[in-house]
Amino acid sequence: SQQGEEDPQALSIQEGENATMNCSYKTSINNLQWYRQNSGRGLVHLILIRSNEREKHSGRLRVTLDTSKKSSSLLITASRAADTASYFCATDGRSAGTYKYIFGTGTRLKVLA
Amino acid sequence: GAGVSQSPSNKVTEKGKDVELRCDPISGHTALYWYRQSLGQGLEFLIYFQGNSAPDKSGLPSDRFSAERTGGSVSTLTIQRTQQEDSAVYLCASSRVVTSGRDEQYFGPGTRLTVT
Repeated sequence: SQQGEEDPQALSIQEGENATMNCSYKTSINNLQWYRQNSGRGLVHLILIRSNEREKHSGRLRVTLDTSKKSSSLLITASRAADTASYFCATDGRSAGTYKYIFGTGTRLKVLA
Repeated sequence: GAGVSQSPSNKVTEKGKDVELRCDPISGHTALYWYRQSLGQGLEFLIYFQGNSAPDKSGLPSDRFSAERTGGSVSTLTIQRTQQEDSAVYLCASSRVVTSGRDEQYFGPGTRLTVT
């Protein structure tokens, strides 16, 4: 099964509202990353947070990491229609003796104008 | 600068045929990854190359799948005797590898494979 599990699976909000997505993982990690995927631009890296960091900001994005709970959240503030996309978390951790990136199944965000 | 490129962008093949998918990573990136994404699903890790080290093949779904990376740059993913369940978008990504761990991955546009 996927190490990264995002919830909710789908989220629909009005433009201007905030959107929060969560990610849980199972093994120890070096870092956790969030990616966005839409049909126009493919998969794009949004933000990376290292295992010794608790919070990180980038523009309208805020990511938190709780390694004790093995979870992360992505907050998009003041959402725009252009934020409509699928959002994936990816963890770089050891699994079965090797390091590799594990992507979750994603949260589909729809921002209504 | 140039990003990750993949070719072909679309491939339709008959069941049982072999296919080769190509990935050109960003120049200077030592790490290269292949993923598979089925419709509406997340990314499934397939294989990882890092420099001249032996690749991490732990994600390859069967022995019909193989990949190589020549000269530490271009990579080819080969699927032999394709099956309909191989239909998916195959994504390639590259990244630097920094001392503190892996860096962000830059993804190519993908190859959409359809097995009829």
